[in-house]
Amino acid sequence: EIVMTQSPATLSVSPGERATLSCRASQSVSSNLAWYQQKPGQAPRLLIYGASTRATGIPARFSGSGSGTEFTLTISSLQSEDFAVYYCQQYNNWPETFGQGTKLEIK
Amino acid sequence: QVQLVQSGAEVKKPGASVKVSCKASGYTFTSYGISWVRQAPGQGLEWMGWISAYNGNTNYAQKLQGRVTMTTDTSTSTAYMELRSLRSDDTAVYYCARAGLSGYYDYWGQGTLVTVSS
Repeated sequence: EIVMTQSPATLSVSPGERATLSCRASQSVSSNLAWYQQKPGQAPRLLIYGASTRATGIPARFSGSGSGTEFTLTISSLQSEDFAVYYCQQYNNWPETFGQGTKLEIK
Repeated sequence: QVQLVQSGAEVKKPGASVKVSCKASGYTFTSYGISWVRQAPGQGLEWMGWISAYNGNTNYAQKLQGRVTMTTDTSTSTAYMELRSLRSDDTAVYYCARAGLSGYYDYWGQGTLVTVSS
């Protein structure tokens, strides 16, 4: 099973600033990496797939990069609605595994 | 528009079974798979398995093998997830999600809370 490790567990950032979230895979997942956003009481929402392709309707301030084992989600200028928990997921191998999440909180 | 609508919350006793439904609309049901993901209270996301709505092929998480069964009814565009021999640590919100050929999940159901308690 591929283990996905996200860092940091919690990230405190002020509105308008940039946030950088990391995700590392225990073995290569090529570019088969997705990022999801989850707000309290809601289902996850797809942000990024293929490591760097924004999903339909996702604002351009969200960008993804990386391949192989190292991935990054960047939010260029944080808006109030961006404070949430973010999960990475690899879908290169079964079982498809998620990271433990990064909580993005207001500083 | 694509929608996945799940059945309502359930309360079950240890040892019982639960069956959660996920009704799809707004797309060709048999062109995608359905994955099931659960989330224990305050915890992260756990992949449970996947079913092809095209041919019924399944792939289950090893830890749930023997306790979980995923099925689909193409006549009603509905996917089902049955979990048997429930334990307290099965208490979670259960989500269905549409999975394309590429594997990521672009639409999710609203979630179904399953509480296992004596």
